[in-house]
Amino acid sequence: AQRVTQPEKLLSVFKGAPVELKCNYSYSGSPELFWYVQYSRQRLQLLLRHISRESIKGFTADLNKGETSFHLKKPFAQEEDSAMYYCAPDDYKLSFGAGTTVTVRA
Amino acid sequence: NAGVTQTPKFQVLKTGQSMTLQCAQDMNHNSMYWYRQDPGMGLRLIYYSASEGTTDKGEVPNGYNVSRLNKREFSLRLESAAPSQTSVYFCASSEATGGNTIYFGEGSWLTVV
Repeated sequence: AQRVTQPEKLLSVFKGAPVELKCNYSYSGSPELFWYVQYSRQRLQLLLRHISRESIKGFTADLNKGETSFHLKKPFAQEEDSAMYYCAPDDYKLSFGAGTTVTVRA
Repeated sequence: NAGVTQTPKFQVLKTGQSMTLQCAQDMNHNSMYWYRQDPGMGLRLIYYSASEGTTDKGEVPNGYNVSRLNKREFSLRLESAAPSQTSVYFCASSEATGGNTIYFGEGSWLTVV
């Protein structure tokens, strides 16, 4: 079945350290993928989308068709990056990934 | 600028009771969704409505029903609540079911005792 998977439920990093959140997808073709973020006491919101190829809040994500991955990266994590992150497929008839909770420690 | 509004925000139900979660969006979106969020399970799609007048099952539809009342409103009904339905429920909407940004409501915390 077509789906996205996030293998890490929890990720803890120190402030200033790099952070990488993994996302793999299981369908062929040229998917559009998204990363959504949920900060404490806020709604889920779009962080970035593959097709825009932009950097949002210092985060980037590259689609790797060979590895079928769309990992989210930031070179220097900040405390305000602590949140729940979801990888999402471009087909919203599918569920999101299981989510990764990121904690950035001072 | 309300976006997606869902009610109620908190609800406690007894096993076997029924209730309806209401959702409305003011962005003239065609597609609407209901998700549940559980620890370790992520955001799972319950039902979706690709356009007004249509509804379809998502990954976890059992125990739920939905109604797309009009283009703005999409309700989720629990006919006979069970403790396994204790969760946070999110309504969302987007212009279409693919390739667009999806906008979420604030969530509804439901506890079934």
